[in-house]
Amino acid sequence: AQSVTQLGSHVSVSEGALVLLRCNYSSSVPPYLFWYVQYPNQGLQLLLKYTTGATLVKGINGFEAEFKKSETSFHLTKPSAHMSDAAEYFCAVSDLDLGSNFGNEKLTFGTGTRLTIIP
Amino acid sequence: KAGVTQTPRYLIKTRGQQVTLSCSPISGHRSVSWYQQTPGQGLQFLFEYFSETQRNKGNFPGRFSGRQFSNSRSEMNVSTLELGDSALYLCASSLIRGQGVYGYTFGSGTRLTVV
Repeated sequence: AQSVTQLGSHVSVSEGALVLLRCNYSSSVPPYLFWYVQYPNQGLQLLLKYTTGATLVKGINGFEAEFKKSETSFHLTKPSAHMSDAAEYFCAVSDLDLGSNFGNEKLTFGTGTRLTIIP
Repeated sequence: KAGVTQTPRYLIKTRGQQVTLSCSPISGHRSVSWYQQTPGQGLQFLFEYFSETQRNKGNFPGRFSGRQFSNSRSEMNVSTLELGDSALYLCASSLIRGQGVYGYTFGSGTRLTVV
C-alpha cells in the first residue's frame, strides 16, 4: 500500500527565504505524486504533480518539486517565500495503477505541513 | 467555468441524526471522490463514484454511504452520527477515471459539526 511521510508538521521561514517542505513516499507501483495547498476554510488546490518524464516539476505560485526515485522523495521548494504562501501543504501519492484498468483510484495524503511566513 | 460546488458549507447536527451532503462536479466531469479531513486522522479517502457506480471505498463503517446521479452530481450520507464524525468533508472531481493521476479539482468542503 502507498504511504506518504511529511517531515515537520510546522515550518516557519522568513519572508524572502527559501521554502523547503519535505515529502517521502512508498509505493508498490510507479508513483504519481502531488502537492496540494489548503488555505483556511478552503478546499485543496493542486500546486504541482509528477506523473512521468522530467523529474523537476514546476507548479503554480513559483513552487517546484523534484522527484528522486533513489531517495523516494518529492520535496517542495520555493526560492523566495511570500506572505501569501502561509497555508497548509499536503503531499499525496496516487493509488492508481494504470496497468489495472483504472482500479482503486484514490489519493493517499501525508499529514500536512503548516507553513508560517515571518515578516 | 464553475468549480466543484459543495452544499451546505456548514452544518450542525446532533448525535444519532443523519446527514446528507451534496457535491456538484465541474461540468463534464464524471468521476467524483469524497474525502474526510480531521485534525487527528488527516485526509482520508471515503469513496469514488464513476458513471453512477461506486468504484472504490475506503475504510469507513457502513454508516457512510454515497451515490451518484446521472448528471454526475453526488451525495454522501452519514447515518447515526457520532461526535467523531465532525470533520471537513471534501469532494473532488475529475474528467474521467485515471484523470486523478493528473490532479483532482476539490471543492471548498462541508464543515460538519456533531454535538
